[in-house]
Amino acid sequence: DQQVKQNSPSLSVQEGRISILNCDYTNSMFDYFLWYKKYPAEGPTFLISISSIKDKNEDGRFTVFLNKSAKHLSLHIVPSQPGDSAVYFCAASAGGSARQLTFGSGTQLTVLP
Amino acid sequence: DAGVIQSPRHEVTEMGQEVTLRCKPISGHDYLFWYRQTMMRGLELLIYFNNNVPIDDSGMPEDRFSAKMPNASFSTLKIQPSEPRDSAVYFCASTQGHYGYTFGSGTRLTVV
Repeated sequence: DQQVKQNSPSLSVQEGRISILNCDYTNSMFDYFLWYKKYPAEGPTFLISISSIKDKNEDGRFTVFLNKSAKHLSLHIVPSQPGDSAVYFCAASAGGSARQLTFGSGTQLTVLP
Repeated sequence: DAGVIQSPRHEVTEMGQEVTLRCKPISGHDYLFWYRQTMMRGLELLIYFNNNVPIDDSGMPEDRFSAKMPNASFSTLKIQPSEPRDSAVYFCASTQGHYGYTFGSGTRLTVV
């Protein structure tokens, strides 16, 4: 049973437009959420996170939104750049710590020039 | 800081052989994780250690898999005997605080 789901395996967006990556979770104990970005032949790298006490967190071009009632979070990238092309993993943790994460299956984002 | 170091980067082995993957975490990080990435399942947690002690190995798929952390700077993941379905990218990650993991570059394992 996948507790963190990324239902879109891939997404293509034109450069300069908004990219929206979605993630759903089932475990109501999750209270800390993260997004990781992964380039080919590299390990995932931390991108942005959000605590369940917030519904939005922004860092430059990246914004994460959390809808606790819907158990849904999304990552917005504005404007999208070709260098953003990567696999994006959503991850969640329970207990107020990022020390044990459950990951989704990832979404391949391709930003077209 | 050299980051999390994994070796080898690539491993090709024959079915039935023993495979050992190695990881050096970031100095000072007290948690170490082993993950496996496949197309079907994404990133799966296999096992994690805190202060060199295994805390949760419920993700280890079978008894053929074992992991050790003899000291704070070294961990191994061993598969014996290996099978073709073990082919995947294996990641090691470490962390100390609440800001997510630092992953290594992974070991791509191919069992033929």
